[in-house]
Amino acid sequence: QVQLVESGGGVVQPGRSLRLSCAASGITFSAYAMHWVRQAPGKGLEWVAFILYDGSNKYYADSVKGRFTISRDNSKNTLYLQMNSLRAEDTAVYYCARDRLSGSGNRVFDPWGQGTLVTVSS
Amino acid sequence: DIQMTQSPSSLSASVGDRVTITCRASQSISSYLNWYQQKPGKAPKLLIYAASSLQSGVPSRFSGSGSGTDFTLAIGSLQPEDFATYYCQQSYSFPYSFGQGTKLESK
Repeated sequence: QVQLVESGGGVVQPGRSLRLSCAASGITFSAYAMHWVRQAPGKGLEWVAFILYDGSNKYYADSVKGRFTISRDNSKNTLYLQMNSLRAEDTAVYYCARDRLSGSGNRVFDPWGQGTLVTVSS
Repeated sequence: DIQMTQSPSSLSASVGDRVTITCRASQSISSYLNWYQQKPGKAPKLLIYAASSLQSGVPSRFSGSGSGTDFTLAIGSLQPEDFATYYCQQSYSFPYSFGQGTKLESK
């Protein structure tokens, strides 16, 4: 079955950088677009970034644009999120999710990884 | 950017009750609306896609309806495992966005 496993979370000081990884198995990773979604402690879900199956197209939430970079290595079945200039408000559980097209262009997040916690604190 | 607003933010109900959750988009999103269920400490799970299509493996007591700006998630007869938080999400245009969530609690 499809499995997505995030890693790379931890405690980091404001202004520093961190790179998250999401290892995929059980799917033809190179055939799917992918997303990052985050959830601050006790809060709702916030979409963060999207990358097309071949990396040719990317979109970002305004809150992370210019600071975060989504990328992928299809030879390693791995998705990345490079996070620079981290702020306290970036503290969250970060989930990767496979993008799946359903019917007439509707995209869904399915499935999701288990998440990795990023804490930005001095 | 498209804003998604859910109501209510929280809801108390009993096993066997029928409940509905609404989601409103700030502009028309056709049927590009999905619903997710999240239990504490777990990743979200897809329930309904394209406003009204049931994800494989999801019990038929869950249903979705609506198009344009107004959408509804209904749970026909609440089961103990249904107490969770529910989110709507639009995939009409980037940046994608979620509603703020509806926490369904046991009365």
